[in-house]
Amino acid sequence: AQSVTQLGSHVSVSEGALVLLRCNYSSSVPPYLFWYVQYPNQGLQLLLKYTSAATLVKGINGFEAEFKKSETSFHLTKPSAHMSDAAEYFCAVTRTGGGNKLTFGTGTQLKVEL
Amino acid sequence: ETGVTQSPTHLIKTRGQQVTLRCSSQSGHNTVSWYQQALGQGPQFIFQYYREEENGRGNFPPRFSGLQFPNYSSELNVNALELDDSALYLCASSSRDSDTGELFFGEGSRLTVL
Repeated sequence: AQSVTQLGSHVSVSEGALVLLRCNYSSSVPPYLFWYVQYPNQGLQLLLKYTSAATLVKGINGFEAEFKKSETSFHLTKPSAHMSDAAEYFCAVTRTGGGNKLTFGTGTQLKVEL
Repeated sequence: ETGVTQSPTHLIKTRGQQVTLRCSSQSGHNTVSWYQQALGQGPQFIFQYYREEENGRGNFPPRFSGLQFPNYSSELNVNALELDDSALYLCASSSRDSDTGELFFGEGSRLTVL
């Protein structure tokens, strides 16, 4: 079985500050890992994905994440937060050959303050 | 390219009733997955359809059922509604030929059970 744990259900940063959203995974086989963003009353939009190529993955809107096997982590970062980044962020995992069935974390609500 | 569309966007039902939610997959995608997202939680996998057959199921009772049609669109049916079925139901499409795990989500159908 696979799972992800997102540390911190709520994160608050100042505009222009570093964004760091934490995700740790558990998987007995090589995982594929994803970050999705959800704006209020909307579906989920893919930010970035790790599928066993480069361990540092760059996504949309200036976000990136680094796959660290030794730490079983896939933390999401952005150097400078913008007000428009305020949303809920979900980390998700599936296994290679998993048929696109994702297991999601419980989400982290990001608040960006002036 | 047409994205994933879901209908209805909002609906209210009472306990014991039945509901049908509909989803049109993104052009070129042959697989549809359904997720339940309760308030404040991450999406939970309900089931997936590929070639009009169920291809994997999460921990949901049999009163949750689905269909996939030859044009790859899909329905989610829930019988004997319970209060805890109140949630955002998300449909996601993907291509079985591209097993990278990436899902493309619709904006969801928000179900309220009174």
